[in-house]
Amino acid sequence: AQSVTQPDIHITVSEGASLELRCNYSYGATPYLFWYVQSPGQGLQLLLKYFSGDTLVQGIKGFEAEFKRSQSSFNLRKPSVHWSDAAEYFCAVGAGSGNTPLVFGKGTRLSVIA
Amino acid sequence: DAGITQSPRHKVTETGTPVTLRCHQTENHRYMYWYRQDPGHGLRLIHYSYGVKDTDKGEVSDGYSVSRSKTEDFLLTLESATSSQTSVYFCAITPGQGNTGELFFGEGSRLTVL
Repeated sequence: AQSVTQPDIHITVSEGASLELRCNYSYGATPYLFWYVQSPGQGLQLLLKYFSGDTLVQGIKGFEAEFKRSQSSFNLRKPSVHWSDAAEYFCAVGAGSGNTPLVFGKGTRLSVIA
Repeated sequence: DAGITQSPRHKVTETGTPVTLRCHQTENHRYMYWYRQDPGHGLRLIHYSYGVKDTDKGEVSDGYSVSRSKTEDFLLTLESATSSQTSVYFCAITPGQGNTGELFFGEGSRLTVL
């Protein structure tokens, strides 16, 4: 069965600093991997996804993530955080086939300070 | 915008009453999902559908039932609401007919059970 671990429940960074949010997954085959963002009071929005190919994927809002098969990781990065990036971030893993739905991590809440 | 509408957006009800939440989509997507979101638990899958009359349980399906009698509507029913079902409920779809795992979410329905 698939599972996702986001080790950090809450992270605080200064505006302009770099950001890395960790995600580790468990899945037997090549996974489909996703990062979603949820701003306060909003639904979730897809940031980026990895299906195959280049292991460094670019997303919206200046985010990127790198798939590392050897570490079972799909960490999210941004070189310079903006105050508007304060939100909750969810990593998810899927099979990409059959009817199996996505499995989500419990999320990491990002706070941005001046 | 994946054309997802949830209703009602807010509801307050009493313990023991039945409640139905509706998810409506306009673009003939095959896969539809119901999640609940609670602090500290992230997103948890309740039920999902992979076609008309084809549904399956998620990790927290107890106390919930679903129906999908036509492509565009996926109904979530709490037969006898309990306080533990106070939550924010999100409907989601996967675009198109295949299961890439990619999800687009509705805006959520906030349910309070007194």
